[in-house]
Amino acid sequence: GAGVSQSPRYKVAKRGQDVALRCDPISGHVSLFWYQQALGQGPEFLTYFQNEAQLDKSGLPSDRFFAERPEGSVSTLKIQRTQQEDSAVYLCASSLEVGGARTEAFFGQGTRLTVV
Amino acid sequence: DQQVKQNSPSLSVQEGRISILNCDYTNSMFDYFLWYKKYPAEGPTFLISISSIKDKNEDGRFTVFLNKSAKHLSLHIVPSQPGDSAVYFCAASAGGDMRFGAGTRLTVKP
Repeated sequence: GAGVSQSPRYKVAKRGQDVALRCDPISGHVSLFWYQQALGQGPEFLTYFQNEAQLDKSGLPSDRFFAERPEGSVSTLKIQRTQQEDSAVYLCASSLEVGGARTEAFFGQGTRLTVV
Repeated sequence: DQQVKQNSPSLSVQEGRISILNCDYTNSMFDYFLWYKKYPAEGPTFLISISSIKDKNEDGRFTVFLNKSAKHLSLHIVPSQPGDSAVYFCAASAGGDMRFGAGTRLTVKP
């Protein structure tokens, strides 16, 4: 499809388990964002990539969270030793940014992570 | 540190009337502002944006106003329609990442 694709849509993990969430951005989009959205809250910024470079990871809540985008396209958000407070919807978004001009970001449907 | 704030968690308006959603920000480095609309079980979808060099941007029934001195922006929907019922998020950007408000749930009653 032409949109941002995230997988899996739903993930149930036992506490202490490692998880990997995948994001396929729109082809050719330079910027990629990861957000964490708790129930009833707005998306909270986690990290931002411009091509393969991770320019901002200030939102990652702990060193258990790691994100990568090795070839400047697909990105993976990894959470190690999951805790119950990690339960949330994880949203990925991508934007084109032509010549530095800002463009809107397109979001995927998100991955709902439940840690039990 | 909530850099983008939407202080009204919910808003209810009658069909055909104006909906006004408000957003405040604290970071003076923000130079691009966006509104997103979100339905349940879907990711946010882009609605309208405004650059800091403008104070108004209009797209059909949707108009965004920016008051830089007050660090305030608002989204006006005129006329409101039942299909506009959704959660609306304000977002702001300072050259890279986007920061979101907590959202306002708009209900448009027929």
